[in-house]
Amino acid sequence: QQQVKQSPQSLIVQKGGISIINCAYENTAFDYFPWYQQFPGKGPALLIAIRPDVSEKKEGRFTISFNKSAKQFSLHIMDSQPGDSATYFCAASMGSNYKLTFGKGTLLTVNP
Amino acid sequence: KAGVTQTPRYLIKTRGQQVTLSCSPISGHRSVSWYQQTPGQGLQFLFEYFSETQRNKGNFPGRFSGRQFSNSRSEMNVSTLELGDSALYLCASSLRDEQYFGPGTRLTVT
Repeated sequence: QQQVKQSPQSLIVQKGGISIINCAYENTAFDYFPWYQQFPGKGPALLIAIRPDVSEKKEGRFTISFNKSAKQFSLHIMDSQPGDSATYFCAASMGSNYKLTFGKGTLLTVNP
Repeated sequence: KAGVTQTPRYLIKTRGQQVTLSCSPISGHRSVSWYQQTPGQGLQFLFEYFSETQRNKGNFPGRFSGRQFSNSRSEMNVSTLELGDSALYLCASSLRDEQYFGPGTRLTVT
């Protein structure tokens, strides 16, 4: 059972464009939703995270939008740069349980 | 602060052997989690340790085990290796909700 569904699997964006990656979850007990960025040969790096008590969180060019009623959240990368080309993972966990349930990942390519 | 370190970075083992991977968390972090990453299954949770106690366990066979020491360093062990155990094994350390991953250990089983 895939509890966190991520789309699209791959995404190609032009430099300066907006990259949007979506995730949907099933378990309403999830209350922590982080996004990770992973480059080849590296471990995932925490990018930004949100809790259900807010609908949006912005850090630099990265924004998380959260829709609790729809059980969906998304990552927006503004002014996408070639250096943003990586695989992005959404994840979810509940309470003090540190078990992260990950989406399958999105391979983002930003063309110069 | 230094990040999460994992040793070794690369490992080649033969079917039937066992392997031990090591993880040193960020200083001050008491929770250590382990994940397996494969192209087919993605990132899957193995187990989490806090103050030397296993608090959570994922859906992996008993061949996968771990432990945590009093200095929060952790090891995971895989016994009777199978070809399907070839993967990137990632360790993450946490202070609260935020989990910070190490570079991983690439295990190849031949």
